[in-house]
Amino acid sequence: NAGVTQTPKFQVLKTGQSMTLQCAQDMNHEYMSWYRQDPGMGLRLIHYSVGAGITDQGEVPNGYNVSRSTTEDFPLRLLSAAPSQTSVYFCASRKSATTQYFGPGTRLTVL
Amino acid sequence: SQQGEEDPQALSIQEGENATMNCSYKTSINNLQWYRQNSGRGLVHLILIRSNEREKHSGRLRVTLDTSKKSSSLLITASRAADTASYFCATAGTGNMLTFGGGTRLMVKP
Repeated sequence: NAGVTQTPKFQVLKTGQSMTLQCAQDMNHEYMSWYRQDPGMGLRLIHYSVGAGITDQGEVPNGYNVSRSTTEDFPLRLLSAAPSQTSVYFCASRKSATTQYFGPGTRLTVL
Repeated sequence: SQQGEEDPQALSIQEGENATMNCSYKTSINNLQWYRQNSGRGLVHLILIRSNEREKHSGRLRVTLDTSKKSSSLLITASRAADTASYFCATAGTGNMLTFGGGTRLMVKP
């Protein structure tokens, strides 16, 4: 199993640009989540999904959209990038209330 | 706001010493989990303790949970330089979503 994969690893955007961060898992997990981690801080939940076709907002959802058309994929879309969205983004997946598996992260810089 | 808060925010010890990190949370939980993050990497799950458990061991790790005080502690015994990392607690409540604390940065000096 590849686990949780994320692409790209690094990305630089200009203010106002849009982009999609990709996340995929091959463990047949129902739960998938997107977090952002700012320097020296913990993780904040952006959006999450409890199954295909079901998504919900987390703690900091503004400026981001998600969709879950398949169990495997959970892309995160930045609609109009802002410097405040400069962060490291982690995707994670799990089965119910158990161990969460994290991807390697995407380091995003918005100029 | 974050559910869990770790204490201390930073900890520096010598190799061989024990390291203790604490986590406090605000609402009722189903379980509490500890994760480790090496610099520039994703988080790795260390241990999960359920709300009806009081103590759990895994190798050099010992986790305690006091639901009456809404707190947990992670003890790393006989620390090694390779234990240098940030450690996060995460709580799973109703809806089973995980909420992370701000983390403790542990430095183990050789």
